Amino acid sequence: GAGVSQSPSNKVTEKGKDVELRCDPISGHTALYWYRQRLGQGLEFLIYFQGNSAPDKSGLPSDRFSAERTGESVSTLTIQRTQQEDSAVYLCASSFRPMVTTDTQYFGPGTRLTVL
Amino acid sequence: AQSVTQPDIHITVSEGASLELRCNYSYGATPYLFWYVQSPGQGLQLLLKYFSGDTLVQGIKGFEAEFKRSQSSFNLRKPSVHWSDAAEYFCAVGAEYGNKLVFGAGTILRVKS
Repeated sequence: GAGVSQSPSNKVTEKGKDVELRCDPISGHTALYWYRQRLGQGLEFLIYFQGNSAPDKSGLPSDRFSAERTGESVSTLTIQRTQQEDSAVYLCASSFRPMVTTDTQYFGPGTRLTVL
Repeated sequence: AQSVTQPDIHITVSEGASLELRCNYSYGATPYLFWYVQSPGQGLQLLLKYFSGDTLVQGIKGFEAEFKRSQSSFNLRKPSVHWSDAAEYFCAVGAEYGNKLVFGAGTILRVKS
């Protein structure tokens, strides 16, 4: 596609429910990133994929968070047993390769998650 | 570890006035520095980046930034602000051969007519 797309754009859920957030990267981009943006805070790195493997998942805050990617295509971020502190905007980005010094990260519009 | 500080949470400027957004970074090696802009409902867009060489870099939309190693700063500037520049601006740092960016908390720019 022309850019990175994410769905849904907004998600309201009840505490304790599971949610799935989807990211469609730019076609041909091998690297895919997930970030979290809490209100009033900067973007917080969660995980990145090179192809369908995740060499760095150091930013995932707990084992309730997981992510997978199908080939060099769609990625899904899953949050199990959501908590109120999970409320944030979840941003996805993709780049041709996972090298920040040479390959620009292109961001999607984000999914705003609200946990009641 | 890398970190980025953007001291101003909000800035308001008049249309046509000059703008400077501050960014300070902490990183032991050569930093790779970025400015992104996030307009309402839009994804982050790269404005400019600094890797090496000339310390004054030009970006899109008439923005420029100056890298000052002695002050650990990478401030974003624009000589004359337009109403369409109202957005949130993020400074970020990356490591050489690194895979991820570390972002500041952002500065919200308001433009008054």
